[in-house]
Amino acid sequence: GENVEQHPSTLSVQEGDSAVIKCTYSDSASNYFPWYKQELGKRPQLIIDIRSNVGEKKDQRIAVTLNKTAKHFSLHITETQPEDSAVYFCAARGSQGNLIFGKGTKLSVKP
Amino acid sequence: ETGVTQTPRHLVMGMTNKKSLKCEQHLGHNAMYWYKQSAKKPLELMFVYNFKEQTENNSVPSRFSPECPNSSHLFLHLHTLQPEDSALYLCASSPRYLSGELFFGEGSRLTVL
Repeated sequence: GENVEQHPSTLSVQEGDSAVIKCTYSDSASNYFPWYKQELGKRPQLIIDIRSNVGEKKDQRIAVTLNKTAKHFSLHITETQPEDSAVYFCAARGSQGNLIFGKGTKLSVKP
Repeated sequence: ETGVTQTPRHLVMGMTNKKSLKCEQHLGHNAMYWYKQSAKKPLELMFVYNFKEQTENNSVPSRFSPECPNSSHLFLHLHTLQPEDSALYLCASSPRYLSGELFFGEGSRLTVL
């Protein structure tokens, strides 16, 4: 079945450093790749997304890259701040239309 | 506020109890979803409704029974649950069926004793 693998499961960085989270997907027909951020005790919220006709997208300190050939996409956060600490989920929309989520990455940014 | 409200936020129930989770959205969205969130596992899609018609049931046990009286309200009725059903249950909506951004509620934390 459709599958999304996400790595690492936990990530700890110093404030100001960059953080990278990587995901791979199995369904080559996937065409939409959102990233959600879930702070402790809060709802997941969309922070950035990318469609399959684009290779990279940036929004201030966050960026997402997509390699369709390799079927992987990554989230890049630069100049990390303590408020970036959260669980980040990648997802891929497959041929059936459903969003398939990764297991999440717990990011800790140490001041 | 994203406009998706879930109640209750926390629920503790015994295995023989019957309870319901409620979700409400005032975003004018056509599709509503129930997800289960367990520790160290991906978000699991349980049910999808499009214009209050159920379109997906991802092999969810019958002890979970959804109800969607209209496109703004979604319920999850719970009956004779098991301890392994303890999880965070997230409701979400999207403007169109299986398309666009998902807007999540804050979840109902369920503990089954």
